[in-house]
Amino acid sequence: TQLLEQSPQFLSIQEGENLTVYCNSSSVFSSLQWYRQEPGEGPVLLVTVVTGGEVKKLKRLTFQFGDARKDSSLHITAAQTGDTGLYLCAKSVSGNTPLVFGKGTRLSVIA
Amino acid sequence: ETGVTQTPRHLVMGMTNKKSLKCEQHLGHNAMYWYKQSAKKPLELMFVYSLEERVENNSVPSRFSPECPNSSHLFLHLHTLQPEDSALYLCASSQGGTGAIHLHFGNGTRLTVT
Repeated sequence: TQLLEQSPQFLSIQEGENLTVYCNSSSVFSSLQWYRQEPGEGPVLLVTVVTGGEVKKLKRLTFQFGDARKDSSLHITAAQTGDTGLYLCAKSVSGNTPLVFGKGTRLSVIA
Repeated sequence: ETGVTQTPRHLVMGMTNKKSLKCEQHLGHNAMYWYKQSAKKPLELMFVYSLEERVENNSVPSRFSPECPNSSHLFLHLHTLQPEDSALYLCASSQGGTGAIHLHFGNGTRLTVT
Protein backbone atom coordinates (compact mmCIF):
# COMPACT_ATOMS: atom_id res chain seq x y z
CA THR A 1 0.00 0.00 0.00
CA GLN A 2 1.04 3.61 -0.39
CA LEU A 3 -0.28 5.05 2.86
CA LEU A 4 0.61 8.45 4.20
CA GLU A 5 0.79 8.75 7.98
CA GLN A 6 0.04 12.13 9.50
CA SER A 7 0.72 13.08 13.11
CA PRO A 8 -0.57 14.15 15.43
CA GLN A 9 -4.15 13.27 14.55
CA PHE A 10 -5.50 16.12 16.74
CA LEU A 11 -3.84 19.22 18.12
CA SER A 12 -5.31 21.95 20.29
CA ILE A 13 -3.16 24.96 21.15
CA GLN A 14 -3.41 28.52 22.42
CA GLU A 15 -3.17 31.47 20.06
CA GLY A 16 0.45 32.62 19.74
CA GLU A 17 2.01 29.17 20.20
CA ASN A 18 4.17 27.42 17.60
CA LEU A 19 3.43 23.93 16.27
CA THR A 20 4.70 21.31 13.85
CA VAL A 21 2.73 18.58 12.11
CA TYR A 22 4.20 15.68 10.19
CA CYS A 23 3.55 13.58 7.13
CA ASN A 24 5.44 10.30 6.61
CA SER A 25 5.53 7.53 4.05
CA SER A 26 7.41 4.24 3.85
CA SER A 27 8.03 4.81 0.14
CA VAL A 28 9.64 7.61 -1.84
CA PHE A 29 7.38 10.05 -3.59
CA SER A 30 7.99 12.49 -6.41
CA SER A 31 6.14 15.41 -4.87
CA LEU A 32 4.18 16.34 -1.78
CA GLN A 33 1.32 18.74 -1.34
CA TRP A 34 -0.28 20.30 1.73
CA TYR A 35 -3.94 21.30 1.79
CA ARG A 36 -5.98 23.04 4.48
CA GLN A 37 -9.69 22.31 4.90
CA GLU A 38 -11.72 24.72 7.00
CA PRO A 39 -15.03 23.64 8.56
CA GLY A 40 -17.81 23.41 5.97
CA GLU A 41 -15.47 23.87 3.03
CA GLY A 42 -13.37 21.81 0.65
CA PRO A 43 -9.57 21.47 0.91
CA VAL A 44 -7.48 24.31 -0.49
CA LEU A 45 -3.93 23.81 -1.75
CA LEU A 46 -1.27 25.56 0.34
CA VAL A 47 1.96 24.39 -1.28
CA THR A 48 3.63 21.79 -3.50
CA VAL A 49 7.20 20.63 -2.76
CA VAL A 50 9.13 18.61 -5.31
CA THR A 51 12.85 18.68 -4.38
CA GLY A 52 14.35 16.67 -1.50
CA GLY A 53 15.37 19.07 1.29
CA GLU A 54 13.22 21.86 -0.14
CA VAL A 55 11.86 24.47 2.26
CA LYS A 56 8.99 26.78 1.33
CA LYS A 57 7.49 29.60 3.37
CA LEU A 58 3.98 30.99 3.19
CA LYS A 59 3.73 33.85 5.71
CA ARG A 60 3.82 32.10 9.12
CA LEU A 61 3.80 28.60 7.60
CA THR A 62 7.06 26.77 6.80
CA PHE A 63 6.94 23.56 4.74
CA GLN A 64 9.86 21.16 4.51
CA PHE A 65 10.38 18.14 2.24
CA GLY A 66 12.72 15.53 3.71
CA ASP A 67 16.05 14.81 2.04
CA ALA A 68 15.03 11.20 1.43
CA ARG A 69 11.70 12.30 -0.14
CA LYS A 70 9.69 10.17 2.30
CA ASP A 71 8.52 12.79 4.76
CA SER A 72 7.41 16.36 5.13
CA SER A 73 6.61 18.76 7.94
CA LEU A 74 4.55 21.90 8.35
CA HIS A 75 5.56 24.40 11.02
CA ILE A 76 3.26 27.26 12.03
CA THR A 77 4.69 30.19 13.96
CA ALA A 78 2.51 32.23 16.32
CA ALA A 79 -0.69 30.37 15.50
CA GLN A 80 -3.88 32.35 15.02
CA THR A 81 -7.52 31.27 15.33
CA GLY A 82 -7.77 31.52 11.54
CA ASP A 83 -5.29 28.63 11.26
CA THR A 84 -7.93 26.27 12.65
CA GLY A 85 -8.73 23.47 10.22
CA LEU A 86 -7.81 20.05 8.89
CA TYR A 87 -4.33 19.89 7.39
CA LEU A 88 -3.97 17.22 4.71
CA CYS A 89 -0.84 16.04 2.98
CA ALA A 90 -1.02 14.34 -0.41
CA LYS A 91 1.72 12.58 -2.33
CA SER A 92 2.35 11.89 -5.96
CA VAL A 93 4.31 8.71 -6.62
CA SER A 94 4.79 9.24 -10.33
CA GLY A 95 3.58 11.42 -13.15
CA ASN A 96 0.71 9.18 -14.14
CA THR A 97 -0.87 8.18 -10.84
CA PRO A 98 -3.49 10.05 -8.82
CA LEU A 99 -2.68 11.81 -5.57
CA VAL A 100 -2.80 9.78 -2.33
CA PHE A 101 -4.01 11.63 0.76
CA GLY A 102 -3.27 11.17 4.45
CA LYS A 103 -5.99 11.22 7.14
CA GLY A 104 -5.01 14.72 8.19
CA THR A 105 -4.19 16.63 11.37
CA ARG A 106 -7.11 18.48 12.89
CA LEU A 107 -5.81 21.73 14.41
CA SER A 108 -7.77 23.88 16.82
CA VAL A 109 -6.32 27.24 17.81
CA ILE A 110 -8.00 28.74 20.85
CA ALA A 111 -8.07 32.47 21.57
CA GLU B 1 -17.13 32.39 -4.82
CA THR B 2 -15.49 29.01 -5.37
CA GLY B 3 -14.61 27.95 -8.91
CA VAL B 4 -16.16 24.55 -8.20
CA THR B 5 -19.81 24.51 -7.13
CA GLN B 6 -21.56 21.50 -5.62
CA THR B 7 -25.26 21.01 -5.02
CA PRO B 8 -26.99 20.20 -2.82
CA ARG B 9 -24.88 21.09 0.26
CA HIS B 10 -26.80 18.62 2.41
CA LEU B 11 -28.81 15.54 1.45
CA VAL B 12 -30.72 13.04 3.58
CA MET B 13 -32.00 9.97 1.78
CA GLY B 14 -33.47 6.60 2.59
CA MET B 15 -31.86 3.39 1.42
CA THR B 16 -34.44 2.91 -1.31
CA ASN B 17 -34.22 6.45 -2.76
CA LYS B 18 -32.52 7.60 -5.94
CA LYS B 19 -30.77 10.96 -5.90
CA SER B 20 -28.02 12.77 -7.79
CA LEU B 21 -25.17 15.02 -6.72
CA LYS B 22 -24.14 17.80 -9.08
CA CYS B 23 -20.79 19.50 -9.60
CA GLU B 24 -19.95 22.39 -11.91
CA GLN B 25 -16.53 23.94 -12.48
CA HIS B 26 -15.93 27.40 -13.92
CA LEU B 27 -12.14 27.13 -14.24
CA GLY B 28 -11.75 25.70 -17.73
CA HIS B 29 -10.15 22.53 -16.38
CA ASN B 30 -10.07 19.26 -18.30
CA ALA B 31 -10.26 16.75 -15.42
CA MET B 32 -12.91 16.23 -12.74
CA TYR B 33 -13.03 13.96 -9.69
CA TRP B 34 -15.31 12.53 -7.04
CA TYR B 35 -13.82 11.94 -3.58
CA LYS B 36 -15.44 10.47 -0.46
CA GLN B 37 -14.43 11.93 2.91
CA SER B 38 -15.36 9.88 5.99
CA ALA B 39 -14.37 10.44 9.59
CA LYS B 40 -11.02 8.88 10.52
CA LYS B 41 -10.24 7.85 6.93
CA PRO B 42 -8.09 9.43 4.22
CA LEU B 43 -9.81 11.11 1.31
CA GLU B 44 -10.86 8.26 -0.96
CA LEU B 45 -10.70 8.79 -4.71
CA MET B 46 -13.82 7.37 -6.34
CA PHE B 47 -13.79 8.44 -9.98
CA VAL B 48 -11.66 10.51 -12.34
CA TYR B 49 -12.77 11.93 -15.67
CA SER B 50 -10.22 13.36 -18.07
CA LEU B 51 -11.51 15.05 -21.22
CA GLU B 52 -14.94 13.61 -20.35
CA GLU B 53 -13.70 10.00 -20.35
CA ARG B 54 -13.57 7.97 -17.16
CA VAL B 55 -9.95 7.11 -16.46
CA GLU B 56 -10.14 5.89 -12.87
CA ASN B 57 -12.71 3.82 -11.01
CA ASN B 58 -11.40 2.75 -7.63
CA SER B 59 -13.53 -0.36 -7.04
CA VAL B 60 -16.53 1.74 -6.18
CA PRO B 61 -19.81 -0.17 -5.65
CA SER B 62 -22.26 -0.01 -8.55
CA ARG B 63 -24.78 1.85 -6.40
CA PHE B 64 -22.63 4.92 -7.24
CA SER B 65 -22.83 5.87 -10.91
CA PRO B 66 -20.89 8.87 -12.29
CA GLU B 67 -21.77 10.89 -15.36
CA CYS B 68 -19.70 13.56 -17.10
CA PRO B 69 -21.74 15.12 -19.95
CA ASN B 70 -19.11 17.79 -20.67
CA SER B 71 -15.87 19.12 -19.22
CA SER B 72 -17.67 21.53 -16.87
CA HIS B 73 -20.23 19.22 -15.30
CA LEU B 74 -20.02 16.06 -13.23
CA PHE B 75 -22.80 14.08 -11.61
CA LEU B 76 -22.89 11.25 -9.10
CA HIS B 77 -26.09 9.22 -9.28
CA LEU B 78 -26.98 7.37 -6.10
CA HIS B 79 -29.37 4.44 -5.62
CA THR B 80 -30.03 1.87 -2.91
CA LEU B 81 -27.30 3.27 -0.68
CA GLN B 82 -26.25 1.86 2.68
CA PRO B 83 -25.87 3.74 5.99
CA GLU B 84 -22.07 3.37 5.71
CA ASP B 85 -22.22 5.50 2.57
CA SER B 86 -22.97 8.52 4.75
CA ALA B 87 -20.05 10.90 4.24
CA LEU B 88 -18.95 14.18 2.71
CA TYR B 89 -18.71 13.83 -1.07
CA LEU B 90 -16.22 16.24 -2.61
CA CYS B 91 -15.91 17.16 -6.24
CA ALA B 92 -12.63 18.54 -7.59
CA SER B 93 -11.22 19.71 -10.88
CA SER B 94 -7.71 20.18 -12.27
CA GLN B 95 -5.82 20.95 -15.43
CA GLY B 96 -4.34 17.53 -16.18
CA GLY B 97 -5.35 14.45 -14.22
CA THR B 98 -2.34 12.85 -12.54
CA GLY B 99 0.92 13.62 -10.79
CA ALA B 100 1.48 16.86 -8.87
CA ILE B 101 -1.65 18.51 -10.15
CA HIS B 102 -3.42 21.31 -8.29
CA LEU B 103 -6.83 20.07 -7.20
CA HIS B 104 -9.57 22.67 -6.82
CA PHE B 105 -12.28 21.34 -4.53
CA GLY B 106 -15.91 22.28 -4.10
CA ASN B 107 -17.40 22.61 -0.61
CA GLY B 108 -18.93 19.16 -0.77
CA THR B 109 -22.31 17.51 -0.29
CA ARG B 110 -22.91 16.12 3.21
CA LEU B 111 -24.86 12.91 2.60
CA THR B 112 -26.77 11.07 5.31
CA VAL B 113 -28.33 7.70 4.49
CA THR B 114 -31.06 6.65 6.90
